[in-house]
Amino acid sequence: AQSVTQLDSHVSVSEGTPVLLRCNYSSSYSPSLFWYVQHPNKGLQLLLKYTSAATLVKGINGFEAEFKKSETSFHLTKPSAHMSDAAEYFCVVSGFSGGYNKLIFGAGTRLAVHP
Amino acid sequence: DAGVIQSPRHEVTEMGQEVTLRCKPISGHDYLFWYRQTMMRGLELLIYFNNNVPIDDSGMPEDRFSAKMPNASFSTLKIQPSEPRDSAVYFCASSSSGPTDTQYFGPGTRLTVL
Repeated sequence: AQSVTQLDSHVSVSEGTPVLLRCNYSSSYSPSLFWYVQHPNKGLQLLLKYTSAATLVKGINGFEAEFKKSETSFHLTKPSAHMSDAAEYFCVVSGFSGGYNKLIFGAGTRLAVHP
Repeated sequence: DAGVIQSPRHEVTEMGQEVTLRCKPISGHDYLFWYRQTMMRGLELLIYFNNNVPIDDSGMPEDRFSAKMPNASFSTLKIQPSEPRDSAVYFCASSSSGPTDTQYFGPGTRLTVL
């Protein structure tokens, strides 16, 4: 069965410093992988998506993620954090559960950005 | 495009009352999903539709929950009777490509059952 683990529930960085949000996945085939962002009191917004093309995926707002099959990881990074990046981030893997295809969401990582 | 539209944005009701949440998917999207988000359980898929037909309702908590999609541009999630443990944020999402492709989320309905 497919699963996704976000290794940190909370990450705190200073404005202008790099961001690293870690995600490991489990899948018996080549999955699609996503990162979504949720700002307070908002819906989820797609940041980026991997679908077996380039292993380094660039997304919106300067975020990128690298698919590493050998490490079963899909970590999200940004070179320089901005105050507006404070939000909850979800790593998502495509999967098959209960007889149906679906997206499987991680528990989320809350990113705090300090001045 | 206006994106996925949900109404109401906030709903406060008393235990035992009927609650109806509404969703309008992005035009042309054939898949519609209902999710529930709570602190304890995270984001849970409740049900999804393809071409207005329910495909997977295994996430619907119990018989008090029902969902319909009478046409391609409208869906409802109904809770009857509501209970305090139903308090959560309910999201609707839609997709043009299938249940494992990009889903576009609405702003959510925050439900509080007193």
